[in-house]
Amino acid sequence: GAVVSQHPSRVICKSGTSVKIECRSLDFQATTMFWYRQFPKQSLMLMATSNEGSKATYEQGVEKDKFLINHASLTLSTLTVTSAHPEDSSFYICSASPRVGTSYEQYFGPGTRLTVT
Amino acid sequence: AQSVTQLDSQVPVFEEAPVELRCNYSSSVSVYLFWYVQYPNQGLQLLLKYLSGSTLVKGINGFEAEFNKSQTSFHLRKPSVHISDTAEYFCAVRRQDTGRRALTFGSGTRLQVQP
Repeated sequence: GAVVSQHPSRVICKSGTSVKIECRSLDFQATTMFWYRQFPKQSLMLMATSNEGSKATYEQGVEKDKFLINHASLTLSTLTVTSAHPEDSSFYICSASPRVGTSYEQYFGPGTRLTVT
Repeated sequence: AQSVTQLDSQVPVFEEAPVELRCNYSSSVSVYLFWYVQYPNQGLQLLLKYLSGSTLVKGINGFEAEFNKSQTSFHLRKPSVHISDTAEYFCAVRRQDTGRRALTFGSGTRLQVQP
């Protein structure tokens, strides 16, 4: 149980285009989803916290107009990188916190590698 | 705010040898502590967690960690490593109150198990 999927696993796009990444909790409902960014050989940095049915909370320094987050249902959150540039190339990982049970649990997706050319 | 320090960026070790990966944290509030493992190009998998109670916690794959409140440490140990343990290991904390549920990660330690 507690599986989180991400789609796509890998995407290459041209500079200036937008890319949407999906994060799904497959066998549980998630009230909260988190989006992290990981640069090569570095740690995960929290970008935003996404709560179902409300606006996402962005971390300081993360542009909300560039990284659009939608959490339309209890099993799906999307991250859209708008007008992508090469510096947005990174590994994006989502995690989901179950609606029921202990609130400290987070389950991570397999990640999406974005390459902007 | 919370911060996590993993002093060792890389730890080379021979197969079947013991290993300890160090983690220290700083927080003005009580926290939960976690260790995650990340294999190349994959997401994170929970190894173990400390919530309360016994300070020695056992996780998957033979790993264990000990919470030391006075030293604000949560070091990860394994008595005998395998080649398959080669991966990146992240220590993380999360505040116990409800104010912020996101995890704060350390910079990671790459464990390299050599034959």
